[in-house]
Amino acid sequence: ETGVTQTPRHLVMGMTNKKSLKCEQHLGHNAMYWYKQSAKKPLELMFVYSLEERVENNSVPSRFSPECPNSSHLFLHLHTLQPEDSALYLCASSQATGKETQYFGPGTRLLVL
Amino acid sequence: DQQVKQNSPSLSVQEGRISILNCDYTNSMFDYFLWYKKYPAEGPTFLISISSIKDKNEDGRFTVFLNKSAKHLSLHIVPSQPGDSAVYFCAATRGAQKLVFGQGTRLTINP
Repeated sequence: ETGVTQTPRHLVMGMTNKKSLKCEQHLGHNAMYWYKQSAKKPLELMFVYSLEERVENNSVPSRFSPECPNSSHLFLHLHTLQPEDSALYLCASSQATGKETQYFGPGTRLLVL
Repeated sequence: DQQVKQNSPSLSVQEGRISILNCDYTNSMFDYFLWYKKYPAEGPTFLISISSIKDKNEDGRFTVFLNKSAKHLSLHIVPSQPGDSAVYFCAATRGAQKLVFGQGTRLTINP
């Protein structure tokens, strides 16, 4: 596989469930990102990891918990989500943070019932 | 407060004509701007960028113009092709800070 992959592509979960989103990049990049895209809203940056260290957390509720075990993998652990958390969750990577071009995965379409 | 705005949610253009997508920003400290293109069921893909030291950058059919005094940038696609139908996002950043995205504009190229 090449580029940035995300699994699952679609996820339906109840408000009491616990699930995890996975992102993997095969580009040798050092920075990884989680974004949320809700309908008719800009992409919202959630978390940034650089060299496996979290460098930004944009006031995201604690029901979203990121994990970056190595520079190629990024997880987003979900628990006790709300229906308003339904959105497209996009992972991206770049060589470094800042002006580097970000390469996006296809996203996980999440529906919280 | 939305720092990057794309005020047109959608745009329809005839094949072969020029498509012009607009983006306005409020933060005068932004010094690097990008356009991304997104097809359904895919993630955004980088299209073209421009640094604030320039006012124009061209790559094939795609040209980005930057007007710093007006805090405005635009993406020109000419000639427009059916494969250009997608959602286009502009984004801005400063230094090593995060990208700030606009809401996107859905471009439809009609035959």
